[in-house]
Amino acid sequence: KAGVTQTPRYLIKTRGQQVTLSCSPISGHRSVSWYQQTPGQGLQFLFEYFSETQRNKGNFPGRFSGRQFSNSRSEMNVSTLELGDSALYLCASSLGGDLEQYFGPGTRLTVT
Amino acid sequence: KQEVTQIPAALSVPEGENLVLNCSFTDSAIYNLQWFRQDPGKGLTSLLLIQSSQREQTSGRLNASLDKSSGRSTLYIAASQPGDSATYLCAPKGNYGNNRLAFGKGNQVVVIP
Repeated sequence: KAGVTQTPRYLIKTRGQQVTLSCSPISGHRSVSWYQQTPGQGLQFLFEYFSETQRNKGNFPGRFSGRQFSNSRSEMNVSTLELGDSALYLCASSLGGDLEQYFGPGTRLTVT
Repeated sequence: KQEVTQIPAALSVPEGENLVLNCSFTDSAIYNLQWFRQDPGKGLTSLLLIQSSQREQTSGRLNASLDKSSGRSTLYIAASQPGDSATYLCAPKGNYGNNRLAFGKGNQVVVIP
């Protein structure tokens, strides 16, 4: 069974640009969550989508947005990139409810 | 807001020793708690999931306990091996309709051959 996949794995962008990251959950999983990981702040929750609806949102500015498609694949978008957005972005999928969550390998975003 | 603390932040042990990693959380109203390991620059690998109604969960050399009322969980790794070197993260989950996990900074473990 294929795990959670994220594309691209590495990305370099310039300040002010925008970026779109993609996450394909494990087949059958309807919940996709996104996290930002930095050395200073650790892992911080961005948002969660379940059946194409945003169910929960973390404390990030409106420049961070996401969506989920009918096949459960999810994308997150960051507009007007800042240097501080450099991070490892991780997505996690689960069937939902009280079940285990599985993480992808992450996308390493560097903003110069 | 759930706050998670993991102690010790870093530790080095000789191969063969047992590891004890501690996690505390401020809000005891959790639904479950998951332990992960992370290798440098990689994603998180799920190790164990403990439901709030359980006291412990075991998988091979790993055993995790949960004391929900006191807001604590402990991960025991028996007979450590160099391949156990990684950062270990515990993540409590708040309630059923919400998959948001709270993370601490982790326990960074080095097992010396």
